[in-house]
Formats: sequence, structure tokens, C-alpha cells
Amino acid sequence: DQQVKQNSPSLSVQEGRISILNCDYTNSMFDYFLWYKKYPAEGPTFLISISSIKDKNEDGRFTVFLNKSAKHLSLHIVPSQPGDSAVYFCAGDGSSNTGKLIFGQGTTLQVKP
Amino acid sequence: DVKVTQSSRYLVKRTGEKVFLECVQDMDHENMFWYRQDPGLGLRLIYFSYDVKMKEKGDIPEGYSVSREKKERFSLILESASTNQTSMYLCASSLLRGEIAKNIQYFGAGTRLSVL
Repeated sequence: DQQVKQNSPSLSVQEGRISILNCDYTNSMFDYFLWYKKYPAEGPTFLISISSIKDKNEDGRFTVFLNKSAKHLSLHIVPSQPGDSAVYFCAGDGSSNTGKLIFGQGTTLQVKP
Repeated sequence: DVKVTQSSRYLVKRTGEKVFLECVQDMDHENMFWYRQDPGLGLRLIYFSYDVKMKEKGDIPEGYSVSREKKERFSLILESASTNQTSMYLCASSLLRGEIAKNIQYFGAGTRLSVL
């Protein structure tokens, strides 16, 4: 049972345009969602998170939207830059005290100059 | 800055060998995790530990074991390496859950293991 799904393996956008990465989940017990970014040959790094009691969180060029009724979240990057080209993972956190996260399969974003 | 260090970036081992992957974190985190990353499958949790000498199975523990003798160090052991364990292995750590921490996990750079 895949509790967190990223159905688009890849996405290509032009520099300066908006990138929208999507994530769906099935577990209603998640109380936080996190986005990570991963460059080749590096470990994932935390990007932005959102609490399940909110519907939007913004940090600079990055905004995460949460639609609880649809069990869907999305990461918007505006404007996209070539340095944003990476694999993006969304993760759900419903771990109480274990610290365990459930990750999606990842979406590879390519931003073309 | 949190630092999670994995002892090797690249490893090549033969089928049947016993393989040790080491991970050290310097932020006094209680939780530590081992994942493997494979194309199209994302990050899959192998084992995690929330305290010294404590361990819990993740989603894919078969063929692996772990050891946590000290708080800062978490080792992943492949008892008898097989070709289907060729993968990128990622270690992570996090604070015991709290309001501020929001369960952010900090990752090492990864170990790319090839089993021939």
C-alpha cells in the first residue's frame, strides 16, 4: 500500500515559468507533509513543510498547497531556475514519536535555460 | 549545521560478502534511519532506531540488519550481499519529535553500493 504517491516521474519547464509538482496521499493521519530536494550524488535536503491544519505555506519562491478533502498537495516554484533541476520527494509524517516519514517515488524536475 | 556522514561514497562488493555501511551524526539526534533509493521506487525505509540499542524494521528489512551501540552511530549490515542489493543507501537522523523539529530528517550524501 503506497501511502504517498507522486504520479509524475518527470517534469520539464522553461526557466522563469512556474513548476508545479504534485503529490497524493491516502493516510488521513498524516499531520505534517514535507518536501525534499535531491541533487545527483547528494543526500536529500529539506525544502519546505506544511501542517495538516493549514492549506498553504510559503517560503520565498517555494509554496506548498494542501487540499485535505482531495488528499492532495502540490509544490509551486516561481520563478523556476536551472538550479532547481533535481529530484523532489514529498513525505507524510504521521509517526507520533518514532520520527518515521513515508516518502513518495519522487519527481525529476528539469528547468531549461 | 547538522552533519550526517556516511563512511563511503562508493563501494563494490562481491556476492556473499558481509558488508558494513557506517553512518555518524553530530547533532545528538535520537532517531536514525537507513533507506535505499532505487529509480521509480523513491526512498524505502530499511530500518530505523529511536534510541541506543533500539531498532525497528522498516518496509524492506529482509537481508539487512542494523546496529546502534552509540547514539551518534548507526550501522547497516548486509549479512550476505546479493546483486539485488545494488542500490544507493541513504542514512538520516532527526530529533525526537517536538513542535519545533517537525520531524525534519537530515540526510548523509549516500553510499552507492554495487554487488557483483
